[in-house]
Formats: sequence, structure tokens, C-alpha cells
Amino acid sequence: QKEVEQDPGPLSVPEGAIVSLNCTYSNSAFQYFMWYRQYSRKGPELLMYTYSSGNKEDGRFTAQVDKSSKYISLFIRDSQPSDSATYLCAMMKAGNTPLVFGKGTRLSVIA
Amino acid sequence: EAGVAQSPRYKIIEKRQSVAFWCNPISGHATLYWYQQILGQGPKLLIQFQNNGVVDDSQLPKDRFSAERLKGVDSTLKIQPAKLEDSAVYLCASQGNNEQFFGPGTRLTVL
Repeated sequence: QKEVEQDPGPLSVPEGAIVSLNCTYSNSAFQYFMWYRQYSRKGPELLMYTYSSGNKEDGRFTAQVDKSSKYISLFIRDSQPSDSATYLCAMMKAGNTPLVFGKGTRLSVIA
Repeated sequence: EAGVAQSPRYKIIEKRQSVAFWCNPISGHATLYWYQQILGQGPKLLIQFQNNGVVDDSQLPKDRFSAERLKGVDSTLKIQPAKLEDSAVYLCASQGNNEQFFGPGTRLTVL
């Protein structure tokens, strides 16, 4: 079993839809949870960062962490064509430790 | 604030040749990572530096890969000799306040 599982998609939605992206993980030692957005031929860009369980909101983006279920989610409201990218979940056990990534979910938002 | 810089952006070599990549992290970031991202996968750690010391190189194929960060700032990653399976994007990241910021990556193609 991989440490971090993420459905690679692809996922295609109409503009304005709510998008839900998810990851599961197996290692209960993970404490920090991130979502990165990666456009084609670019490096990953940090979108959201959560420590331990709970919700965090930033504009149209909401990140949720449920440590009891080992499940994290990213919601995108009012999705835009510019949101079309690959979304990578990532997690780490402590500060200053390497990130462990999911495979990434490829999202297309159709105008 | 300038981001993480990497060069070259693209490199094409023949198998058994050698290649080197360069990274300049965000100013003041003591922790630097090299990740390998194969097409369709999430990034995977190769090596972690703290200042000029190696923290974690357990996943670095040491028979062909080497990395250094002599003055605790810039870093170079070298592959010698390259194999076909080394075709990937090599990402450098630096860390501040538990957040990792990525450079644009170097896309390596081994023919």
C-alpha cells in the first residue's frame, strides 16, 4: 500500500462547478498537509497548508483534514478555466522533513 | 522576494553521458531538497540538505547520482552515467516556516 493515494483523474467540470479533490494516507505520523497546484511545464505552487486536523479556507479554496479517517480534501468553489492544472496532495511528518506526494489529479475546467 | 531558481530548464543527453543541474534557493532558507518527478507521478525525494550537510539521502541512487551544497546556499545535482529511466523533471525546493517552495524544475530527456 502506498503511503499517499490520490485518484489521478482526469477530472473535467464546467466553469462555476464545485470541485472536490481527495487523498488518503496510511502513515499516522503525518502532521502537516499541503495542496500544490502544478501547471504544465511548471514547478508545484503551494496552495494550502494545514497543520493537524481541521478546515482552512482561502478565497475559493477550502482544505479539510480528517486525521481519524486519514483523509484530506481540497474544495474549489466557482471553478474557473484558469484552475485547470494538476493538483498534488503532499504531507510531512514534522517541520523540516521531506514531503510525500500523491500522484496528482489532473483537473480541466471547461468554459 | 525572489523564488527558487534552477538551471538549465531543459536538457537532452544520450545514455551514459553525464549531466548537472543547479539550484539557488530562496534567500535565508537553510533547508534544501531535490525531488525527481517522473511523468504522471508526484515528486519523490532524492536528497535533503540542512545548510551544507546532508540530512537524508536514503533514496538517492548513489552509484550514479551525487549532490552537494558546499557553501550552504547553491546546490548542484549530478548524474553520471545517465540511464533511460532517469528521464524526468528534477525539482529543487527550499523550506521556510514549514512551507516548501519549488523551482520551475529541469526537464531531462535521456535518449
